Amino acid sequence: GIQVEQSPPDLILQEGANSTLRCNFSDSVNNLQWFHQNPWGQLINLFYIPSGTKQNGRLSATTVATERYSLLYISSSQTTDSGVYFCAGYNAGNMLTFGGGTRLMVKP
Amino acid sequence: DTGVSQNPRHKITKRGQNVTFRCDPISEHNRLYWYRQTLGQGPEFLTYFQNEAQLEKSRLLSDRFSAERPKGSFSTLEIQRTEQGDSAMYLCASSILQGQPQHFGDGTRLSIL
Repeated sequence: GIQVEQSPPDLILQEGANSTLRCNFSDSVNNLQWFHQNPWGQLINLFYIPSGTKQNGRLSATTVATERYSLLYISSSQTTDSGVYFCAGYNAGNMLTFGGGTRLMVKP
Repeated sequence: DTGVSQNPRHKITKRGQNVTFRCDPISEHNRLYWYRQTLGQGPEFLTYFQNEAQLEKSRLLSDRFSAERPKGSFSTLEIQRTEQGDSAMYLCASSILQGQPQHFGDGTRLSIL
């Protein structure tokens, strides 16, 4: 199976700041998803983005499939953005392999 | 679209007891997945179903674990003779087709006393 590495592991921001989270894959992927896990443990779909760029409000994501990485951009961060951000993907098979996550804390 | 539903949300039990969790996928999603997440880690794949057929099982799924999806709709995950190491969040996800995004439920948090 593939390996997924996320960076940074921890991030502390002041409200209003921007940030970039990175996800590297050991092999090409057919499915790539970004999730936000809130403090209550709910895993929320942010993007399904095997390639290209997508935007949703203050969030956007870019996947460069040929170079096996994906980036998640958070602009004008808010305290409600706090939590853990996971990327996950698979190439063969159907099981998502998750990275270790980026733990984000946004301070007011 | 009511989302993936999991019950119960929390389960506390004594070591050695059996527990069963239920997952109701999004309607018309024929693929259903179970994952386990321990504290501070990302979710790890356990098993997946296409309709009622269990097609893939992780080596994490010991003999004490069994999953079913008898009519291709809801699924159950049973753990027999629970151990301390079974304490985790058990997450269910569904997708409509292979290669399509997986949507997760809120999970069942299991605590073993």
